[in-house]
Amino acid sequence: DIVMTQSPDSLAVSLGERASINCKSSRSILSSSNHQNYLAWYQQKPGQPPKLLISWTSTRESGVPDRFSGSGSGTDFTLTISSLQAEDVAVYYCQQYYTTPLTFGGGTKVEI
Amino acid sequence: QVRLVQSGAEVKKPGASVKISCKASGYTFSNHAIHWVRQAPGQRLEWMGWINGGNGNTKYSQNFRDRVTITRDTSASTAYMELSSLTPEDTTVYYCARGPDFPYMDLWGKGTTVTVSS
Repeated sequence: DIVMTQSPDSLAVSLGERASINCKSSRSILSSSNHQNYLAWYQQKPGQPPKLLISWTSTRESGVPDRFSGSGSGTDFTLTISSLQAEDVAVYYCQQYYTTPLTFGGGTKVEI
Repeated sequence: QVRLVQSGAEVKKPGASVKISCKASGYTFSNHAIHWVRQAPGQRLEWMGWINGGNGNTKYSQNFRDRVTITRDTSASTAYMELSSLTPEDTTVYYCARGPDFPYMDLWGKGTTVTVSS
């Protein structure tokens, strides 16, 4: 199984400041056939299901604010919130979909 | 509107089975996969398996060692997940989620809580 490791476990960021979350896969999730990294990011607020923010490492879902961005390749990935807003308080998960079993990171809790 | 509606909370005895439903609306059910993911309190999300809404093909996580069965009824736009031989460790929230052409999940149900207790 591909193990997804996120860091940090939690971080506190001031409103308007940048938040960066790291995600590392135990092996490359870059496809040699289409040169795409099979990585998604989700946001989960308390009492709610996860919400897809980003797929293919950096493609934002419709309606996701552009302060959210994803980057990385191979085994190392980052989710960046450029200017933290109060509504961004949540737990963020990365997920690889390169192979089954699909696996998620342990989550990063973002607080103000 | 586009959504997935899951069945209600369940309480089961150890050794029993549970079957959860996930009804899709607002989109063409057969054009997408349905995944099942569970999440214990404070734990990471755990993928259980998926079903192709069109041809019914399934793929399961070996972590559940043949305890999980996912089916669908296209006429009802509904997917089902049955988990057998329940133990207290299966007490958690179970989500269904829609998968587009690739296995990430772009629409989630609200979750079904399953409690396993004697």
